[in-house]
Amino acid sequence: QTVVTQEPSFSVSPGGTVTLTCGLSSGSVSTGYYPSWYQQTPGQAPRTLIYSTNTRSSGVPDRFSGSILGNKAVLTITGAQADDESDYYCVLYMGSGIWVFGGGTKLTVL
Amino acid sequence: QVQLQESGPGLVKPSQTLSLTCTVSGGSISNDIFHWSWIRQPAGKGLEYIGRIFASGSTNYNPSLKSRATISVDTSKNQFSLKLNSVTAADTALYYCARLRIATAGRNCYYMDVWGKGTTVSVSS
Repeated sequence: QTVVTQEPSFSVSPGGTVTLTCGLSSGSVSTGYYPSWYQQTPGQAPRTLIYSTNTRSSGVPDRFSGSILGNKAVLTITGAQADDESDYYCVLYMGSGIWVFGGGTKLTVL
Repeated sequence: QVQLQESGPGLVKPSQTLSLTCTVSGGSISNDIFHWSWIRQPAGKGLEYIGRIFASGSTNYNPSLKSRATISVDTSKNQFSLKLNSVTAADTALYYCARLRIATAGRNCYYMDVWGKGTTVSVSS
């Protein structure tokens, strides 16, 4: 069973930069997995941030960016703001109509 | 602006079948570049992909559900549905429907681009 790994939690200072990662329990994440990233605040449905590794969804500020770094997909938030405090999920497309979510990273801005 | 709305019973008894419907408004469910999915989230936990369907009726499911899930589509009503049988307390969750965009600008993309607000289902006697 494929496991998509994310840091359970992360902390960043206001104005700082944070890089969240998305890996595989076995193997490397590549663009062929079409990594996407979602932000979820309590009580809300997820919001799409990034798709196809590095394409920002409509209306997403450019302080959010995605890339592949080493063997993982990463989401970088530059100039973190208080309202970036959320849960962040990455999703990988495994092919054959199967997507797998990472466990999510709880980001604290303080 | 496409919107998705989940509906269905909020309480299901153990061993029975959970049934939910997602109504798509503002766009056609038959557009080939979109597929349609169900995702769930137990309280305080992460998101789990359940499965997807496209307008032709072809489906794929998360193997972890051990064939308990069935997704169907009604293009005449612009709706798709989820049935999950033999439910237990572990199936208690917030259930989302989401649109999967398969391609954009002629390139594959494979991501959830529109989400419903979610509906809570509790499994309890």
